[in-house]
Amino acid sequence: AQSVTQPDIHITVSEGASLELRCNYSYGATPYLFWYVQSPGQGLQLLLKYFSGDTLVQGIKGFEAEFKRSQSSFNLRKPSVHWSDAAEYFCAVGADSVIKAAGNKLTFGGGTRVLVKP
Amino acid sequence: GAVVSQHPSRVICKSGTSVKIECRSLDFQATTMFWYRQFPKQSLMLMATSNEGSKATYEQGVEKDKFLINHASLTLSTLTVTSAHPEDSSFYICSAGGGLAGTNTGELFFGEGSRLTVL
Repeated sequence: AQSVTQPDIHITVSEGASLELRCNYSYGATPYLFWYVQSPGQGLQLLLKYFSGDTLVQGIKGFEAEFKRSQSSFNLRKPSVHWSDAAEYFCAVGADSVIKAAGNKLTFGGGTRVLVKP
Repeated sequence: GAVVSQHPSRVICKSGTSVKIECRSLDFQATTMFWYRQFPKQSLMLMATSNEGSKATYEQGVEKDKFLINHASLTLSTLTVTSAHPEDSSFYICSAGGGLAGTNTGELFFGEGSRLTVL
């Protein structure tokens, strides 16, 4: 079974500073990886996803993530954080076979709450 | 992107009553919908997988008689919390994925969530 670990529960950054959120996964085959963002009291919005190909993935809102198979990691980065980036961020992994069968069952990490200082 | 809508966004009910939450895919047909539960400051816990036209598949530890799921059409799934109790108070989120053949992008689209408070 797959699992996802987000080691950092909280991260506080200054506006304009860079941000990196860590995600480590455990899965026997090539995973499908996702990063979602959740604002308070809201559902989840997809930031980016990795299925195959280029290991550096560009997403919305200036975010990018890099898949490193050797480290079983899919860390999320943003060069310059804006106050509106304060939210909860979730990394998720899905099994290739499940997605192709039209059942996108994902396993989520515990989440990282990002606070942005003025 | 695709839109998934949940209703109601907030509901308060008395202990012992039943509450129904709807999840609709507005601009695509969803063969599969997922229901999650999220406790404050915690991650999403998958409760069940809802497949159109068939019985839902529940995760271990989730009471299927308490959390009734119906997926009667390709655009609507409902979660009914039966005989609700205060410990059922939570944020419930649905997601939809898996379009018809050739349209599955592998992405899940999430509803806005429904906050249930049981008094």
